[in-house]
Amino acid sequence: EDQVTQSPEALRLQEGESSSLNCSYTVSGLRGLFWYRQDPGKGPEFLFTLYSAGEEKEKERLKATLTKKESFLHITAPKPEDSATYLCAVRMNYGGSQGNLIFGKGTKLSVKP
Amino acid sequence: KAGVTQTPRYLIKTRGQQVTLSCSPISGHRSVSWYQQTPGQGLQFLFEYFSETQRNKGNFPGRFSGRQFSNSRSEMNVSTLELGDSALYLCASLLSTGNTEAFFGQGTRLTVV
Repeated sequence: EDQVTQSPEALRLQEGESSSLNCSYTVSGLRGLFWYRQDPGKGPEFLFTLYSAGEEKEKERLKATLTKKESFLHITAPKPEDSATYLCAVRMNYGGSQGNLIFGKGTKLSVKP
Repeated sequence: KAGVTQTPRYLIKTRGQQVTLSCSPISGHRSVSWYQQTPGQGLQFLFEYFSETQRNKGNFPGRFSGRQFSNSRSEMNVSTLELGDSALYLCASLLSTGNTEAFFGQGTRLTVV
């Protein structure tokens, strides 16, 4: 069964303490892996798309990487405003349509000043 | 550039009633997907529409239905509401073709009492 697993479920960091979030997936025909940030009561905000193993994307304090079985979201010197739930999603090949996104349960990040 | 607009933001309904939620995608986007988000199950795919046609459907009962209009706006309907339908319903907007990013609206919070 295709699935996406994120770890840890929750992560508490001190401001400036760098760390990584993990997203592992077991899907066939991966078309893309997506990272989103979600604040309480709001919709997910798009961060990155990764298409092939070895690819990396960066945005401010965030860097996403992809291997054949997992992706990492590295957070360098986080600030309290980085506190949110980070979601990972994968899209599979599906007969030419956009298919659907399979989401992990997310990692809830708290950054304390 | 306007984002994805979902209305209403909040709804309270009684068991057995039906509800209609609306989504206006980003201008120029022709594909709309719907997701249900609950604390226990996370984000789960409901259905996908492109050019007024349903292209993909998730594993939800027939009480959940949707449609897309010629201006790409989409509605989803849930009939005979159950307590378990209480959730955040999210709409995602995508470009018409290709392996593109999904941009989410703020969601509609449905509470069934």
